[in-house]
Amino acid sequence: TQLLEQSPQFLSIQEGENLTVYCNSSSVFSSLQWYRQEPGEGPVLLVTVVTGGEVKKLKRLTFQFGDARKDSSLHITAAQPGDTGLYLCAGGQDSNYQLIWGAGTKLIIKP
Amino acid sequence: EAGVAQSPRYKIIEKRQSVAFWCNPISGHATLYWYQQILGQGPKLLIQFQNNGVVDDSQLPKDRFSAERLKGVDSTLKIQPAKLEDSAVYLCASSSGPNVYEQYFGPGTRLTVT
Repeated sequence: TQLLEQSPQFLSIQEGENLTVYCNSSSVFSSLQWYRQEPGEGPVLLVTVVTGGEVKKLKRLTFQFGDARKDSSLHITAAQPGDTGLYLCAGGQDSNYQLIWGAGTKLIIKP
Repeated sequence: EAGVAQSPRYKIIEKRQSVAFWCNPISGHATLYWYQQILGQGPKLLIQFQNNGVVDDSQLPKDRFSAERLKGVDSTLKIQPAKLEDSAVYLCASSSGPNVYEQYFGPGTRLTVT
């Protein structure tokens, strides 16, 4: 069974600090997605990475796909209260075109 | 472009009652997913449709859950009878090829079973 482990499970930091959250697996994925979910809403797609070693930037967010396509990280620079939410990673498996989901990292940015 | 619509947003029922959820995906999206998300966990796939056919329902508790997607557009998910452990958020998502992994979610229905 493919699993995606996210760490940390919970992170509370002050506005302006930097942070990194991780998404790890022993399995290889064809792609990896990062979503952000706010309370009472569905997950919103932030980025898709498909190539080993790929780095994508979305304003203050930097996403990296591991060289072996088994892990990924999300780095936020100068976090803002608007970054608060549940960050979910999901790996695509071509065997059935479904996503394997991590349990999420709950991020709170305090003003 | 309109997003994925779901209704109702909230539902409270007693155990052993029945409930139905409705989803309207993004226009033109052939693939539709129903997920169950329990607080503190990632979404768990219940059923995946491709147009109006079922691709995967291996994790759907078929003794109490059913889903259909008539005409390959709207979909309904039904629970009958509900159990306490069915309390969760039910998310509908859709996607279109070739980026089937880029799924677009509705706001979800929060179900509370008492």
